[in-house]
Amino acid sequence: DTAVSQTPKYLVTQMGNDKSIKCEQNLGHDTMYWYKQDSKKFLKIMFSYNNKELIINETVPNRFSPKSPDKAHLNLHINSLELGDSAVYFCASSPSYSGRDEQYFGPGTRLTVT
Amino acid sequence: GENVEQHPSTLSVQEGDSAVIKCTYSDSASNYFPWYKQELGKRPQLIIDIRSNVGEKKDQRIAVTLNKTAKHFSLHITETQPEDSAVYFCAAILNDYKLSFGAGTTVTVRA
Repeated sequence: DTAVSQTPKYLVTQMGNDKSIKCEQNLGHDTMYWYKQDSKKFLKIMFSYNNKELIINETVPNRFSPKSPDKAHLNLHINSLELGDSAVYFCASSPSYSGRDEQYFGPGTRLTVT
Repeated sequence: GENVEQHPSTLSVQEGDSAVIKCTYSDSASNYFPWYKQELGKRPQLIIDIRSNVGEKKDQRIAVTLNKTAKHFSLHITETQPEDSAVYFCAAILNDYKLSFGAGTTVTVRA
């Protein structure tokens, strides 16, 4: 019974392509996040949604567009992929948007742009 | 992260010894400090957290201390075991509900 799931697990694509990553949580949480983990393991928040509403939007290129069709799903679409987009992308969820409770991470999507 | 500094970046300890990781933060209004553990190829998972109304919290072999005046907090792992080998991240909540993570500490426990 997976709490936070992401698809795909691996994504290899060429520069300039457009790709999407999907995330789903079955924990009944109100808040979902996208994080980027680079090759140095640094974890940086990209976006946060609470009940389908955008709460946090970090300084991320507008090639990245999140979409939350309902509070259990948060997808990430990336246009015109660049080499620097190669990273592991983690989805996470938490009960509230306060940030002061546990965040449950998905298994990650390893994106490689060639 | 630019708001949370974490040291050391790598730590090698003999099995059975203790490991200590230290973090400092810049926002004096921060009041929630979680620690996440990420094993190789796995997802980050919360191992312990502390809120600003307490100075110390312990859970079996893991403890966290918080010094609000100095704006630093530390993770202590006692009697380290091989399964403690992982990357550990500290984090602090900022005013705008955003968790800012430290750069991570790679802990290796030598058998």
